[in-house]
Amino acid sequence: GESVGLHLPTLSVQEGDNSIINCAYSNSASDYFIWYKQESGKGPQFIIDIRSNMDKRQGQRVTVLLNKTVKHLSLQIAATQPGDSAVYFCAENSNDYKLSFGAGTTVTVRA
Amino acid sequence: EAQVTQNPRYLITVTGKKLTVTCSQNMNHEYMSWYRQDPGLGLRQIYYSMNVEVTDKGDVPEGYKVSRKEKRNFPLILESPSPNQTSLYFCASSLGGGDQPQHFGDGTRLSIL
Repeated sequence: GESVGLHLPTLSVQEGDNSIINCAYSNSASDYFIWYKQESGKGPQFIIDIRSNMDKRQGQRVTVLLNKTVKHLSLQIAATQPGDSAVYFCAENSNDYKLSFGAGTTVTVRA
Repeated sequence: EAQVTQNPRYLITVTGKKLTVTCSQNMNHEYMSWYRQDPGLGLRQIYYSMNVEVTDKGDVPEGYKVSRKEKRNFPLILESPSPNQTSLYFCASSLGGGDQPQHFGDGTRLSIL
C-alpha cells in the first residue's frame, strides 16, 4: 500500500548547525507535499508545502526539496535554534480529499 | 485570530459511556477532518467532510461518527467508547481537501478506562 515515511525517528543537532529531515513516499501520483512541526502539547503547525511541478521551495530559514525520481522529500532548517526542537511530519495528498502523514522525526537541538 | 478549537482538551471516561468532542473553526473553511495520533503511527484520518452535510470515512472510522450540520462545526462522536480508542485526537480544517494546508487544533487527549 501507499505510505509516507521518514528515514529516521530521531535527529540530534547542534545549535547553529543546519538540519536535514528526510521523508520517502511511495505514491507516485501524489502532487502535493507538506511539512508540519509539532511541539509538545500542541497540534501540528504548517511549515511549508510544495507541489509536484516544483523541486525546491524556500521559506524563512526552511527549504523543502522534492525529488520525484526517487520519491524523496526533505526539509532543511538553517541555523537550527532551540525553538526548532519538535516533532516534524511530512505528508502527501494520497487523493483529492486527504493527506497521509508519516510517523514523524523528533528533532532535539543541543546547546 | 484564525483558529481551530477543540473541547474538551482532556477527558477520562469509562467504556461504553457516549462522548462527543467538539470542533469549531472560524476561517470559513469548507474542509474539516478528524485524526487520531498514536505513538509510532503518526496521524491517521478518522473522518473528513468536504462541506456541510458531506462526510466520508478516512483510514480508521470504526467506532466513530461525525456530523456536519454547520460549516464551522464538526463534532466527533464515540457512541460506545472502548479502551482501544484511548488516543490523542486532532481536528483540522482547510480551504480545500488534500491539496491545501490543514490547520490543526491543539488536540484532545481521551482516556477510556
